[in-house]
Amino acid sequence: VLTQSPGTLSLSPGERATLSCRASQSISSSYLVWYQQKPGQAPRLLIYDASSRATGIPDRFSGSGSGTDFTLTISGLEPEDFAVYYCHQIGLSPGTFGQGTKVEIK
Amino acid sequence: EVQLVESGGGLVQPGGSLRLSCAASGFTLSDHYMDWVRQAPGKGLEWVGRTKNKARSYITDYAASVRGRFTISRDDSKNSLYLQMNTLKTEDTAVYFCLMFWSGYPYWGQGTLVTVSS
Repeated sequence: VLTQSPGTLSLSPGERATLSCRASQSISSSYLVWYQQKPGQAPRLLIYDASSRATGIPDRFSGSGSGTDFTLTISGLEPEDFAVYYCHQIGLSPGTFGQGTKVEIK
Repeated sequence: EVQLVESGGGLVQPGGSLRLSCAASGFTLSDHYMDWVRQAPGKGLEWVGRTKNKARSYITDYAASVRGRFTISRDDSKNSLYLQMNTLKTEDTAVYFCLMFWSGYPYWGQGTLVTVSS
């Protein structure tokens, strides 16, 4: 099970966002990814291997963590960053997703 | 370039069946694990099931919510993945996505909408 916190994050543009993803058992960092999703769109891959940015992702997005605790940080929110973010464990079956963190404009 | 294109979604009555397809290109399907994931309207992402690669004998696994009703198969010669859905329930209404994993890097299709309603 992956548990994301907080459920909702209310921030202003330019602020720093810190999103948490906690696993109920230790998982390999190689298999922890983060997505951004906007309404009506498929999830967009941001981070893979817990800390590697996907192609075309701005460097304001960064991932960190290992074992059971993982973090996605957005260093300075841009207007287009307000969306829902999911963590996803892809190594083990069943694959599991966090329930999502909504980053909304304060 | 890796591409995954789902098709086969639509409106079906409760108790009915539907088969989704995922056309893959840009890679050799038999080399990769493939998942199906769904997202009900306004809800989060839910893992549906997985088929492992040829080296792992194409072993399949399913979420408890669909086990016994859904079946994942593939035709490597056609580079296609399938999701056979039987005994559909209203709670199966969702956008269904196929995913491919390449060394820890997931690729997604754009999804196909399945609506189960009378």
